[in-house]
Amino acid sequence: GDSVTQMEGPVTLSEEAFLTINCTYTATGYPSLFWYVQYPGEGLQLLLKATKADDKGSNKGFEATYRKETTSFHLEKGSVQVSDSAVYFCALPDSWGKLQFGAGTQVVVTP
Amino acid sequence: EAGVTQSPTHLIKTRGQQATLRCSPISGHTSVYWYQQALGLGLQFLLWYDEGEERNRGNFPPRFSGRQFPNYSSELNVNALELEDSALYLCASSLSATNEKLFFGSGTQLSVL
Repeated sequence: GDSVTQMEGPVTLSEEAFLTINCTYTATGYPSLFWYVQYPGEGLQLLLKATKADDKGSNKGFEATYRKETTSFHLEKGSVQVSDSAVYFCALPDSWGKLQFGAGTQVVVTP
Repeated sequence: EAGVTQSPTHLIKTRGQQATLRCSPISGHTSVYWYQQALGLGLQFLLWYDEGEERNRGNFPPRFSGRQFPNYSSELNVNALELEDSALYLCASSLSATNEKLFFGSGTQLSVL
């Protein structure tokens, strides 16, 4: 079935460093792809999405490009801040239409 | 506009007891999802309700059950609690069954002693 695989964490970075979180997907068609973020003590919130191949989703300095050739949707940010410390989840809808989430990648940004 | 609200925030139970968790979706949303997030693990899908009907169920035993009320709020019941049921239970809502954008509540932290 459709699924996503994302890199394991934790990822520890210094402030202003470049962040990449890898996400690859397996899907029979071309589903929408999502990144959600979970800040400490909170529920998940949508960070960005892309609905078709070559689409780029962006929000709060984060970007991810839907790459059909490599079945990837890697999340990137050019200069992270301490406030970006969170758990990031890649997701796609399954055959029922509900979101399937990756295992999550914890990001820790130090001053 | 109020977001997804869950109650209680924290719940402490002992093994064998029953727990009831509640969720109010965003006004106008008809679909409600329940996920379990155990410590160190990702989100495990539990249940999905839309328009009062159960649409899909995750790989959990029957002692996990729920329902959706006419006002679209939802309840998750966990019977015969076990220690491994300790987790953060997250509720999410979406505008409809075909809308993929989920809005999450802050969760109920269930501790089973």
